[in-house]
Amino acid sequence: NAGVTQTPKFRILKIGQSMTLQCTQDMNHNYMYWYRQDPGMGLKLIYYSVGAGITDKGEVPNGYNVSRSTTEDFPLRLELAAPSQTSVYFCASSLRDYTYEQYFGPGTRLTVT
Amino acid sequence: AQSVTQPDIHITVSEGASLELRCNYSYGATPYLFWYVQSPGQGLQLLLKYFSGDTLVQGIKGFEAEFKRSQSSFNLRKPSVHWSDAAEYFCAVGARTGGGADGLTFGKGTHLIIQP
Repeated sequence: NAGVTQTPKFRILKIGQSMTLQCTQDMNHNYMYWYRQDPGMGLKLIYYSVGAGITDKGEVPNGYNVSRSTTEDFPLRLELAAPSQTSVYFCASSLRDYTYEQYFGPGTRLTVT
Repeated sequence: AQSVTQPDIHITVSEGASLELRCNYSYGATPYLFWYVQSPGQGLQLLLKYFSGDTLVQGIKGFEAEFKRSQSSFNLRKPSVHWSDAAEYFCAVGARTGGGADGLTFGKGTHLIIQP
């Protein structure tokens, strides 16, 4: 039982490039989330999903896209990377909604230069 | 919209001393409150949570927290800290966010330093 896994661990992008951050969970959780963590700040919700085929915007969705074709996977797509997207990205999952414990992956540190 | 304030950015405590980390929240209804810990280079791990009932909740690693509705607070405590407790601690409230999204609203975190 690996929990929530994220790849890659680190990535450096040039401005304007695109990439996909991968997230997989093996706990059969319905809910999955993407957060970003900027230095000295708490985590902010980017997108979330309540089940396969259903996604919705969080607090800071601009510049990102997501899809949820299976229960296990919830990739985050960055189109036209900008320096403002330099951050640490965390994927999380929970059995149900915000009243349930969220399980976090180890994070992806992204630098856009 | 809900918000969480952690007034202390850094706290330094001697090993073996007691610890209290402060958290204040703003939310119109009964909150779902959480404390998470983040060790360097790691994801977040749940320490404890409060939904309802007994206002003093016990968590993992010897931590506890007390919910005080009148003060809108959910402070985290530990009677005797260990060097391995050095980490970043986040308080969070679970709710539907301003945009209608489900998720956690986090405070900015408190960085705990343990002195030998």
